[in-house]
Amino acid sequence: GAGVSQTPSNKVTEKGKYVELRCDPISGHTALYWYRQSLGQGPEFLIYFQGTGAADDSGLPNDRFFAVRPEGSVSTLKIQRTERGDSAVYLCASSFPAGGTDTQYFGPGTRLTVL
Amino acid sequence: AQSVAQPEDQVNVAEGNPLTVKCTYSVSGNPYLFWYVQYPNRGLQFLLKYITGDNLVKGSYGFEAEFNKSQTSFHLKKPSALVSDSALYFCAVRDGRNGANNLFFGTGTRLTVIP
Repeated sequence: GAGVSQTPSNKVTEKGKYVELRCDPISGHTALYWYRQSLGQGPEFLIYFQGTGAADDSGLPNDRFFAVRPEGSVSTLKIQRTERGDSAVYLCASSFPAGGTDTQYFGPGTRLTVL
Repeated sequence: AQSVAQPEDQVNVAEGNPLTVKCTYSVSGNPYLFWYVQYPNRGLQFLLKYITGDNLVKGSYGFEAEFNKSQTSFHLKKPSALVSDSALYFCAVRDGRNGANNLFFGTGTRLTVIP
């Protein structure tokens, strides 16, 4: 049973560039979450998908951040015009939703460094 | 509003001694509480959760946690620490009132088990 996978594991980019981060959830999990973890902090919620739709995107910091999940499985987090403050580890999690009682299973993360 | 506090950034314990990692929370409705562990360069691994019922929850690797509603706490415990337990531990909460989906995390506690 494969867990949540994320690619790339590391991404270094220059300020102003566009990046895409990919998440492949556990098979059968309809809920998918993106979190961002800055150095010395706990993960912070970005966006939640139920199936193909973004059910809650209240954690996205601004309109440079966007995420899609077109077929209800793999998701891509997209960041436009990257800034140095975007440097962080981006974590993806998936679950089979159960009214808030479900356990979220996390991937290893993508470490994004914006120079 | 939901929040989690982990008052100790660092906990040191001798191998074989009992360990406690503290967590307090604040939610408007019923709390769903989770503990995760993070090893270097790896994602979060689920340890245990409290949803309802028995206040003492048992989880992976011999860990347990006690839910205390009056003190709004959910401390993580283990009777006998192992060197391999050294890692970063995160407490997280969901508000069960409105079926909120995302987790709110504390800032983490680094546990070091001394041989």
